Amino acid sequence: AQSVTQPDIHITVSEGASLELRCNYSYGATPYLFWYVQSPGQGLQLLLKYFSGDTLVQGIKGFEAEFKRSQSSFNLRKPSVHWSDAAEYFCAVGPNSGGGADGLTFGKGTHLIIQP
Amino acid sequence: NAGVTQTPKFQVLKTGQSMTLQCAQDMNHEYMSWYRQDPGMGLRLIHYSVGAGITDQGEVPNGYNVSRSTTEDFPLRLLSAAPSQTSVYFCASSHGGLYNEQFFGPGTRLTVL
Repeated sequence: AQSVTQPDIHITVSEGASLELRCNYSYGATPYLFWYVQSPGQGLQLLLKYFSGDTLVQGIKGFEAEFKRSQSSFNLRKPSVHWSDAAEYFCAVGPNSGGGADGLTFGKGTHLIIQP
Repeated sequence: NAGVTQTPKFQVLKTGQSMTLQCAQDMNHEYMSWYRQDPGMGLRLIHYSVGAGITDQGEVPNGYNVSRSTTEDFPLRLLSAAPSQTSVYFCASSHGGLYNEQFFGPGTRLTVL
């Protein structure tokens, strides 16, 4: 079965600094990869996704992520964070199949704190 | 569009009680899912549906039932609540597949005493 590891439970970044959130996955083939963001008291919102093609994907709110097959990673980046980026970030992986067999497997999340 | 709505927002139950968490979407999405979110555990899939009349189990289905009589509604039933079911429950919907963008509701925070 697939698995997702987000090594950092908490990350603190100064406003205006760059950000990288790590995500490693375990899967036998090329997975579907996702990053979701959860603001306090809210549901999750999709930031970006990778299915195939260009390994650098652009998302909403100025985020991007790069799929590196050799490292089984899908790290999320932003060049300059804003105080409004403070939230919980989840990486998720899905089977690369045509059906809806098992749904998404989510990582445990990384809590991003923005320092003024 | 209201998107995905969930009721209630908060609920406290005693062990052994039953209840239904409501979920509705007005986007005509075929796919709907229920997740639970526990501290330090991320989200785990409970049940999902690929269309009206069709449901299937996810990663943690025990203790929960679902049905999908209409495209819009996907209620989650707890038959006999247990403290281990204390969690935040999210409903989500998507168009075209579970691996397309999922739209999440605001969640229901359930406490079982």
